[in-house]
Amino acid sequence: EVQLVESGGGLVQPGGSLRLSCAASGFTFSNFWMSWVRQAPGKGLEWVANIKPDGTVKYYVDSVEGRFTISRDNAKNSLYLQLNSLRAEDTAIFYCARDALGNFDFWGQGTLVTVSS
Amino acid sequence: QSVLTQPRSVSGSPGQSVTISCTGTSSDVGGYNYVSWYQQHPGKAPKLMIYAVTERPSGVPDRFFGSKSGNTASLTISGLQAEDEADYYCCSFAGSDTDVFGTGTRVTVL
Repeated sequence: EVQLVESGGGLVQPGGSLRLSCAASGFTFSNFWMSWVRQAPGKGLEWVANIKPDGTVKYYVDSVEGRFTISRDNAKNSLYLQLNSLRAEDTAIFYCARDALGNFDFWGQGTLVTVSS
Repeated sequence: QSVLTQPRSVSGSPGQSVTISCTGTSSDVGGYNYVSWYQQHPGKAPKLMIYAVTERPSGVPDRFFGSKSGNTASLTISGLQAEDEADYYCCSFAGSDTDVFGTGTRVTVL
């Protein structure tokens, strides 16, 4: 059974940093692209970033380029998202998802990031 | 990286059909056959319902049907059931290995 479990969310002040993690199991993690998708409270879904299976290629939505960094450790079956220079508008539930050419076929339960002073 | 446009809400009675549109551009919906649809119940993670415009993952009822014409993709739910009441989002590949979601549609079963 495919499982994705996010962790690392919490309350952080504007300008602060946070590192999100996603533990994957039930599939060969190193064979798949992976993505982070976020959802602000009461709002829609927004694709944030993705990473190639070997970690060599990464893409970001314009609004987080230069502030967020996606990475992975295939030996640990884990996906990460480093969030820096956080803003109030980054407040959201962050989901990790298995990415198959834009089809997010499995999702985690999400982790909430709240940016507030 | 523009958001795809969906109607804010659609509604129907049990047994009826509803169709949700998803309008993009030739750089996303119109340019690739990589449109997917997600169902999200309150407080839950999204669930993949349609991928590659028309394909249904295992376990998704055949009441859910995807299609595309030009820059607009559509999701039709036939034989509407109470458990179909949820938010629905389209998503399209947008080139350079990036993706873009729609604005979301609330489906209400009357």
